[in-house]
Amino acid sequence: EDKVVQSPLSLVVHEGDTVTLNCSYEVTNFRSLLWYKQEKKAPTFLFMLTSSGIEKKSGRLSSILDKKELFSILNITATQTGDSAIYLCGTLIQGAQKLVFGQGTRLTINP
Amino acid sequence: GAVVSQHPSWVICKSGTSVKIECRSLDFQATTMFWYRQFPKQSLMLMATSNEGSKATYEQGVEKDKFLINHASLTLSTLTVTSAHPEDSSFYICSATMDGDTQYFGPGTRLTVL
Repeated sequence: EDKVVQSPLSLVVHEGDTVTLNCSYEVTNFRSLLWYKQEKKAPTFLFMLTSSGIEKKSGRLSSILDKKELFSILNITATQTGDSAIYLCGTLIQGAQKLVFGQGTRLTINP
Repeated sequence: GAVVSQHPSWVICKSGTSVKIECRSLDFQATTMFWYRQFPKQSLMLMATSNEGSKATYEQGVEKDKFLINHASLTLSTLTVTSAHPEDSSFYICSATMDGDTQYFGPGTRLTVL
């Protein structure tokens, strides 16, 4: 059975801290891994990672994929209260188009 | 770009009635649309995958007669919860993809069944 596991499930830090969110996966026919940020409503797209070792960056957020060890990390530097959200990691399966999501990491940034 | 809308954003209905939720891709044609369900403090659970003009593919454990999906065009998919019961109360989210990879999510519909 395809499985995506995120850790930690919950994280509380102070504004300005750097955080690393983890996502490991066990799926057949891996195609790509996607990160989303979910605040009050629906998830917003952050990154899609297909190749190993290539960092994707957007402002203070960055992410990288390791296809050998089957995991990805999402880094957020100089965190702000607006980064508080649930961060979801999902994997796409070849030929199936569907996303298999992990449980999510609830990140809280305290001022 | 890549905006997906849902309507309504929230709905309250009586037990036994049916509720229709619309999902539209506003600025792109979606080859495929997806319907998810999310319980409080839980992740998204895929219910079904929908391609325009064909029958939806339901995930294991999802009753296709209860959750009717119609994908009338490349920009519109509807989910009808038939004979709703309180246990159907949940947050329903759709997503759409134009390239089969990145999914763009709608704002979700919160359904409360009394």
